Amino acid sequence: GEDVEQSLFLSVREGDSSVINCTYTDSSSTYLYWYKQEPGAGLQLLTYIFSNMDMKQDQRLTVLLNKKDKHLSLRIADTQTGDSAIYFCAEAESGNTPLVFGKGTRLSVIA
Amino acid sequence: DADVTQTPRNRITKTGKRIMLECSQTKGHDRMYWYRQDPGLGLRLIYYSFDVKDINKGEISDGYSVSRQAQAKFSLSLESAIPNQTALYFCATSDPGQGGLRETQYFGPGTRLLVL
Repeated sequence: GEDVEQSLFLSVREGDSSVINCTYTDSSSTYLYWYKQEPGAGLQLLTYIFSNMDMKQDQRLTVLLNKKDKHLSLRIADTQTGDSAIYFCAEAESGNTPLVFGKGTRLSVIA
Repeated sequence: DADVTQTPRNRITKTGKRIMLECSQTKGHDRMYWYRQDPGLGLRLIYYSFDVKDINKGEISDGYSVSRQAQAKFSLSLESAIPNQTALYFCATSDPGQGGLRETQYFGPGTRLLVL
């Protein structure tokens, strides 16, 4: 079946850039998502990218997609303590199947 | 007001008890999902429903059952709770009318369940 892989932990200093990586196996993925889970809360959609795009930028967030290598990354510029959270990568196929989530990357921002 | 609500937010129960977790949504979405979250294991899909008459098993449905009482309501039951069902449970919705973004999911705040 489909699989989405992420590293479990990332630690960065405040003001630095964070890069969270994700790999997926399903070549028919149409949309790829990044969700953010703050402590004690549910998941919130952060951003998404369509599979025919290479890059999407939204303020401090940059999503890069390498479809050939099935690699997705989320870059957070000027990382702040409020960015500390778990970030989930997820992919959607073209058919009527639910999202497949990675296990989440816990980002810790050190002041 | 929250679009996806879950009740209760916290629950402590004993092994062997039957409990129900409830999810309600005001987003008008047809699709609803139940997940559990465990540390290091991410989100795992328990059941999902694409409309009121549709129920599908997810990755880990054993020990759970669901009921889709209406478009807005999707309940998860643990028939006989056991300690390894201690977890954080999330309900989510999605809207098939969003075309290519139909699988974009919107999450409730979660229910923290402890089974003693």
